Amino acid sequence: KAGVTQTPRYLIKTRGQQVTLSCSPISGHRSVSWYQQTPGQGLQFLFEYFSETQRNKGNFPGRFSGRQFSNSRSEMNVSTLELGDSALYLCASSIDRNEAFFGQGTRLTVV
Amino acid sequence: AQSVTQPDIHITVSEGASLELRCNYSYGATPYLFWYVQSPGQGLQLLLKYFSGDTLVQGIKGFEAEFKRSQSSFNLRKPSVHWSDAAEYFCAVGFSGGYNKLIFGAGTRLAVHP
Repeated sequence: KAGVTQTPRYLIKTRGQQVTLSCSPISGHRSVSWYQQTPGQGLQFLFEYFSETQRNKGNFPGRFSGRQFSNSRSEMNVSTLELGDSALYLCASSIDRNEAFFGQGTRLTVV
Repeated sequence: AQSVTQPDIHITVSEGASLELRCNYSYGATPYLFWYVQSPGQGLQLLLKYFSGDTLVQGIKGFEAEFKRSQSSFNLRKPSVHWSDAAEYFCAVGFSGGYNKLIFGAGTRLAVHP
């Protein structure tokens, strides 16, 4: 059974640009969550999508957005990038009860 | 507010020694509890989980954890550490509210001496 796939693995962007990250969940998983991991703030919940609807959102500015498609694949977008957005972005898919399976992450560097 | 505390930022043990990583949580109801492990530059791998029932849960790689409601703790243990266990370990709490969201502790970085 294939795991959670995140693309790309690495990205370098310039301040002010926007970026889109992609996540393909485990087959049959309808819930996709996104997390940001930084050395200073640790792992922080961004948002969760279930059946194309955002069910919950963390405490991040509106520059961070996401969506989920009918096949459960999800994308997250960050607009007007700031240096502080440099982080490892992790996607997780779940069936129920919060048991999340994580992808390898996308390492975003903003210069 | 819900929170997870991992009091130890770094722990160093000798190979073959026993290990206990501490985790305390704050949550009003019965939580879902998890331990994840992360190798450098990688994603998170689930070691074990507690939903209900037996308070001692077994996981992969020889790890176990014990849920103690009275102490709001979910400590991770391993009787004999291997060099390959060197990694960062995260305790997390989930919610029973019908959506998937995890609150993570700050992590404990484990170093293993030969």
